[in-house]
Amino acid sequence: SQQGEEDPQALSIQEGENATMNCSYKTSINNLQWYRQNSGRGLVHLILIRSNEREKHSGRLRVTLDTSKKSSSLLITASRAADTASYFCATDHGSGNTGKLIFGQGTTLQVKP
Amino acid sequence: DTAVSQTPKYLVTQMGNDKSIKCEQNLGHDTMYWYKQDSKKFLKIMFSYNNKELIINETVPNRFSPKSPDKAHLNLHINSLELGDSAVYFCASSPGQGVYGYTFGSGTRLTVV
Repeated sequence: SQQGEEDPQALSIQEGENATMNCSYKTSINNLQWYRQNSGRGLVHLILIRSNEREKHSGRLRVTLDTSKKSSSLLITASRAADTASYFCATDHGSGNTGKLIFGQGTTLQVKP
Repeated sequence: DTAVSQTPKYLVTQMGNDKSIKCEQNLGHDTMYWYKQDSKKFLKIMFSYNNKELIINETVPNRFSPKSPDKAHLNLHINSLELGDSAVYFCASSPGQGVYGYTFGSGTRLTVV
């Protein structure tokens, strides 16, 4: 299976702390993406990082990619209660260039005010 | 304006019934997807269409039939519903089949009783 695995499955922190989530995958990728899902809502795209990139930033989000270890991490700095959500990594393995994404099972983040 | 809209948001129906979920995107995207999210939040791709042409069919039972009348619409029809079909179904779109993030709808929660 190409499905990624996320670690930890659940994370609880205080507002203002940083949150780090990790994603590992098994086969080579074209790109890796991170999504956020608030309870009862659809997924929202956060960041896309290509296989030839090592780090990307967007506001308080920082994503790293280590293709030698087949892993990525998402760092949320100075967390807020509104960051409480599930976070998913998704990998594009380039199968037939279909744009197909395979999602991990997510990390549930709770930020306590 | 909602970018990717799905209807209905909730669907409760009896086993054996046939039901449809509709999806429309106003982003001008060429590619649309159906994903199924189970009770453990695992997201699995079902179908993908690019400009009305089926490009991904992930060994989904043939009781599930997607239909794309034009590139802005991708509907999902389900025949002979089973208890195991209960899940949240998400429609998504992307500009094309390359390196793009998805825009998701807010989901349809299907409960089969």
